[in-house]
Amino acid sequence: KAGVTQTPRYLIKTRGQQVTLSCSPISGHRSVSWYQQTPGQGLQFLFEYFSETQRNKGNFPGRFSGRQFSNSRSEMNVSTLELGDSALYLCASSLNPQGASTDTQYFGPGTRLTVL
Amino acid sequence: EDKVVQSPLSLVVHEGDTVTLNCSYEVTNFRSLLWYKQEKKAPTFLFMLTSSGIEKKSGRLSSILDKKELFSILNITATQTGDSAIYLCAYSGGGADGLTFGKGTHLIIQP
Repeated sequence: KAGVTQTPRYLIKTRGQQVTLSCSPISGHRSVSWYQQTPGQGLQFLFEYFSETQRNKGNFPGRFSGRQFSNSRSEMNVSTLELGDSALYLCASSLNPQGASTDTQYFGPGTRLTVL
Repeated sequence: EDKVVQSPLSLVVHEGDTVTLNCSYEVTNFRSLLWYKQEKKAPTFLFMLTSSGIEKKSGRLSSILDKKELFSILNITATQTGDSAIYLCAYSGGGADGLTFGKGTHLIIQP
């Protein structure tokens, strides 16, 4: 089975722009979670989608949003980019329909976003 | 205040040594505790420990969960240079916060 894939792998944007990141989960996985990883804060949970619905949300501003499509692929959008948004954005998928927090999550390679 | 605290933050040992990595957590509704290994890319899953599975072993790696004292350890025996990585501990409280990760332990194995 192919693993979790994320595109693009690297992205450079300037302050004020917006960005869309994409994630394709492992085949058969319906839950997709997004995380932000920075040297100072470590891995922090952004949100989780299941069956096209946002089920859980972390403590991030409204500039961070996402959606999930019927084929379980997910996109994450960040509007009005700030320098502090520079990070590795990781997507993870899991099988358990009870919720991402109760099952093993498998991570993609991430998208490295740099905001100038 | 961090809910998951890992120690040490970094560790340098020689090949062949045994290392023990620590993870303590505070929890309201514990569901599971997970260990991941992160090299230069995605974290890769190592173990998941739950109330029904408090000890796991895979080759040279093993992990134990102490639910009473709220900590877990990851043990690596006969370390190899390929074990060099950041080891992340995360707990699941079953709530709306996804997985809560510690800052990780940066392990360096010297030949």
